[in-house]
Amino acid sequence: SYELSQPLSVSVAPGQTARINCGGYNIGRKNVHWYQKKPGQAPVVVIYRVDNRPSGIPERFSGSNSGNTATLTINKVQAGDEADYYCQVWDTSTYVFGTGTTVTVL
Amino acid sequence: QVTLRESGPALVKHTQTLTLTCTVSGFSLSATGNSVSWVRQPPGRSLEWLAAIHWDDEKFYNTSLKTRLTVSKDTSKNQVVLRLTNMDPVDTGTYFCARVNAFSGDVFDFWGQGTMVAVSS
Repeated sequence: SYELSQPLSVSVAPGQTARINCGGYNIGRKNVHWYQKKPGQAPVVVIYRVDNRPSGIPERFSGSNSGNTATLTINKVQAGDEADYYCQVWDTSTYVFGTGTTVTVL
Repeated sequence: QVTLRESGPALVKHTQTLTLTCTVSGFSLSATGNSVSWVRQPPGRSLEWLAAIHWDDEKFYNTSLKTRLTVSKDTSKNQVVLRLTNMDPVDTGTYFCARVNAFSGDVFDFWGQGTMVAVSS
């Protein structure tokens, strides 16, 4: 079965840039989506289809995808960005979520 | 305005069957491109996709849980039902339903608030 691996945690100072990688075999050929998950809340999509932002998501959020790694980038990180982030793809008739990355704002 | 709302028991006993209902509004379950997925999150753990049902009634399941899962829909009631048999304490967690938008690359674009389910041993 297809697997997506993410770093367990990323720590970043306010105003700096956070990059979260999502590793998977040939993920560069897939549509990758990214979700923000805060405790007690439903997930929210922040990037869809690799590099598209839904309305209401700040331009600080961007995505890229190539080879075996997809990346979510959060520029000018704010305290409100502290959350868990998950990548997600569709593969062989199943949806797959990444292992999740906790972003901590120092 | 698209909304989804999960409902079901907060507590089930070991070996019982869990039945959850997702009631949707703002979109049609039979309209091309619309699907509903179920996702769960055990306490302190990652999101796990469970099952999906497409507009044409095609169904997809997490391979590791396939033998225990059934998903169905009642278009007239705007409801999607998930059944998970032989519940175990490891199935404790928050269960979400989400709309899957095929026209945006199968993104889960709208989510319910989730319903917490505990399994007693």
